[in-house]
Order: sequence, then C-alpha cells, then structure tokens
Amino acid sequence: AQKVTQAQTEISVVEKEDVTLDCVYETRDTTYYLFWYKQPPSGELVFLIRRNSFDEQNEISGRYSWNFQKSTSSFNFTITASQVVDSAVYFCALSEGGSGSRLTFGEGTQLTVNP
Amino acid sequence: DAGVTQSPTHLIKTRGQHVTLRCSPISGHKSVSWYQQVLGQGPQFIFQYYEKEERGRGNFPDRFSARQFPNYSSELNVNALLLGDSALYLCASIKQNTDTQYFGPGTRLTVL
Repeated sequence: AQKVTQAQTEISVVEKEDVTLDCVYETRDTTYYLFWYKQPPSGELVFLIRRNSFDEQNEISGRYSWNFQKSTSSFNFTITASQVVDSAVYFCALSEGGSGSRLTFGEGTQLTVNP
Repeated sequence: DAGVTQSPTHLIKTRGQHVTLRCSPISGHKSVSWYQQVLGQGPQFIFQYYEKEERGRGNFPDRFSARQFPNYSSELNVNALLLGDSALYLCASIKQNTDTQYFGPGTRLTVL
C-alpha cells in the first residue's frame, strides 16, 4: 500500500527565512508520480508541481525548489526568502502508475510566515 | 478557460438526510475525482470517473455514490448522513496523459 508521511505538522518562520518541508513516501511500484499542493485558508488546493519516478532532476521555479531522492524516498520542498503570502497548508501526494489517478495525500504541514 | 467549479459552496444538513454535490471540470478534461477532507487531515480519495465510467473507488461505505454525465460534469451523492460526514468535499479535474489533478474550491458540508 502506498503512504505519504509529512512529519512536520507545523512550521513557523519569519519573513525572508528559507524553509524546507519534508515528504517521505512508500510505494511498491516502480512507476509513480509525486505532487505538491498548497491549500490557503480559502480551502482550494493549488497545484504546485508534478514529478514522475524516472525524473530525479531537481526543479526550481522562482522561490520554490524541489529535491527528489529515490534512494531515501523523499520529495522535499524548499521556499527561499519566504513571504507572508506563503502561509498555508502544504500537502505532498503520491499517485501510483496503474492505479488510475488516485492520490494519496500526507497529513499536511501548516506553514506560518510571520512579518 | 474557467477552472473547476463546485456547487454549493456550503451546505448544512441533519443526520439521516441525503445530499448531492456537483462539479464541473475544466473544459477538455474528461476525468474527475472526488475527495473528502476532514478538518486537520489530508484529502481522502472517494471516487474517480472517466468517460462516465467509474475508474476507482476509495474505502467509503455504499452510502457514497457518484456519477458522471455526458458533458463530463459529476455528482457526488451521500445518503443517510452521519455527523462524521462533515467535511470539505473536493472535486478534481484530471488532465489526460499527465494525471495532474486540478482542484475546485470545494463544498463544505456540515451535518448536525
């Protein structure tokens, strides 16, 4: 069975600090997809990134970067120079190839960026 | 293009009642998924539909059912509501060939 663990329940930082959100996953499949979503207080899940299991290249998008390491089954998310608008709950999710598009989510990390 | 739309935004029901939630996917997307998110937890998969056929079902009782229409919109039905059904119900529109899911704003259901 697939599982996603986000060990950090809450993180609080001061604006302009860098912050890394951890994600560890478990799967028996060799083909799978990893995702990060942002959920602001409004409740809508906002898609941030999709990564397939064959692509271990790290990705950078503006202040966001992602580090995928199959050897440790981790897909960590770093926000550089955090801003108050980054405050939200962040979810890591896993989709196994062959299971359709069923997403298994972690429990989420509440990030609070203080001015 | 418009994003995923869901209706209603909020809903209050009493135990034992029935509820229908609606979702319209992004134009061109033929697949939708439904998730239940209880406060303080991650979303849990309920159903996936593609081309009006059920593609997957999560670990939810038979009180939960869904369908997809020819225009790819979808309904989630929940019968005999329980207090524990109180949650945010999220619909996702799935982009083919990428499996990327784009979520709607959700319907917040409160069961009293």
